[in-house]
Amino acid sequence: DAKTTQPNSMESNEEEPVHLPCNHSTISGTDYIHWYRQLPSQGPEYVIHGLTSNVNNRMASLAIAEDRKSSTLILHRATLRDAAVYYCIPHAGYALNFGKGTSLLVTP
Amino acid sequence: DTGVSQNPRHKITKRGQNVTFRCDPISEHNRLYWYRQTLGQGPEFLTYFQNEAQLEKSRLLSDRFSAERPKGSFSTLEIQRTEQGDSAMYLCASSPGLGGIGYTFGSGTRLTVV
Repeated sequence: DAKTTQPNSMESNEEEPVHLPCNHSTISGTDYIHWYRQLPSQGPEYVIHGLTSNVNNRMASLAIAEDRKSSTLILHRATLRDAAVYYCIPHAGYALNFGKGTSLLVTP
Repeated sequence: DTGVSQNPRHKITKRGQNVTFRCDPISEHNRLYWYRQTLGQGPEFLTYFQNEAQLEKSRLLSDRFSAERPKGSFSTLEIQRTEQGDSAMYLCASSPGLGGIGYTFGSGTRLTVV
């Protein structure tokens, strides 16, 4: 799997947008880019995934750079329930390689 | 379906004892995964089943670890002769297919070896 680089932590105010970056410069052409998040004391949960085009769903948006070497997860209006560790995972196959992720703190 | 269920939620055991964890996946998911997570780290892949066949094992899965998935339904993970280094959260996930899409994780079993 491709190596990823994410900030260790980020902070946001409630109801403001949050942009979580991820560098994955060694990604292969067939790897999808997945984002999972892990709330305290819970297992990870799927957030969004994409290959080349930007993607939107009810939880977030995913912006993928044209060269696919980086991506950004966008939470349009952060809530206190969005406080979690966010993992960017370039992936193809069976095993997800989580890395350490970005710990997002949301303050009221 | 209430998602992936793991039991017990917590387990404290003495070093040298054997422990067994159970995972009940989403019923229509034929793929099942075990991961281990230590404090401050992301989950690490241990092993993967497609139906009842164990198709891949990580080098993290030492000889003291064994996993089964009889009849392709629930799965068990057993650790024999536990060591303090086995203390971790053990997570189970299931999916309808490969590719990282649609993985659903359970809440995990936290093991503490004293």
